[in-house]
Amino acid sequence: ETGVTQTPRHLVMGMTNKKSLKCEQHLGHNAMYWYKQSAKKPLELMFVYNFKEQTENNSVPSRFSPECPNSSHLFLHLHTLQPEDSALYLCASSQDTLLDEQYFGPGTRLTVT
Amino acid sequence: RKEVEQDPGPFNVPEGATVAFNCTYSNSASQSFFWYRQDCRKEPKLLMSVYSSGNEDGRFTAQLNRASQYISLLIRDSKLSDSATYLCVVKLRDSSYKLIFGSGTRLLVRP
Repeated sequence: ETGVTQTPRHLVMGMTNKKSLKCEQHLGHNAMYWYKQSAKKPLELMFVYNFKEQTENNSVPSRFSPECPNSSHLFLHLHTLQPEDSALYLCASSQDTLLDEQYFGPGTRLTVT
Repeated sequence: RKEVEQDPGPFNVPEGATVAFNCTYSNSASQSFFWYRQDCRKEPKLLMSVYSSGNEDGRFTAQLNRASQYISLLIRDSKLSDSATYLCVVKLRDSSYKLIFGSGTRLLVRP
């Protein structure tokens, strides 16, 4: 089974709500990632953290705010989202950013109403 | 032009069939190549890396053609459990960590 867990698995929120997605990895990895997967579109990298430092922000709107308190935990804080933000949000981790294999969590399916 | 392009399918094949998927990438600086598998409503999982010399893992064979900038995946003796979406993934030489995903090719294996 995957060593990357995500909560909640499903989330419905209104455009004025504030919510947070949580990711935890039990693999001893140093790099963590947030991806967005919309219907019929490829996975889009949102953020990369390496040793708790953000190394990539892939032009993501400020209504998405990541937080990485330690190498095992990653959060995505959401506020004032739009309906087009509805998607599957996947967390991944890898030993470090130089190694290729990324392990994905099960994702949070987000619906913005 | 998409950075990584795949035929979305679906490829509908009977059990036991051989099926092949191709994927093209646009950036000649691409360094590493992979096939991931994603089951319906599940997360992607690494199926295999793709090496320049080609590589095989059981019923699965991956090939890379750098000159033509395409990657292929061949599945022999298809099983029902092979039904999934296969994602072609590329990593650029100038970015040590960014994986570029294709939209995926859907495979349906019927009894």
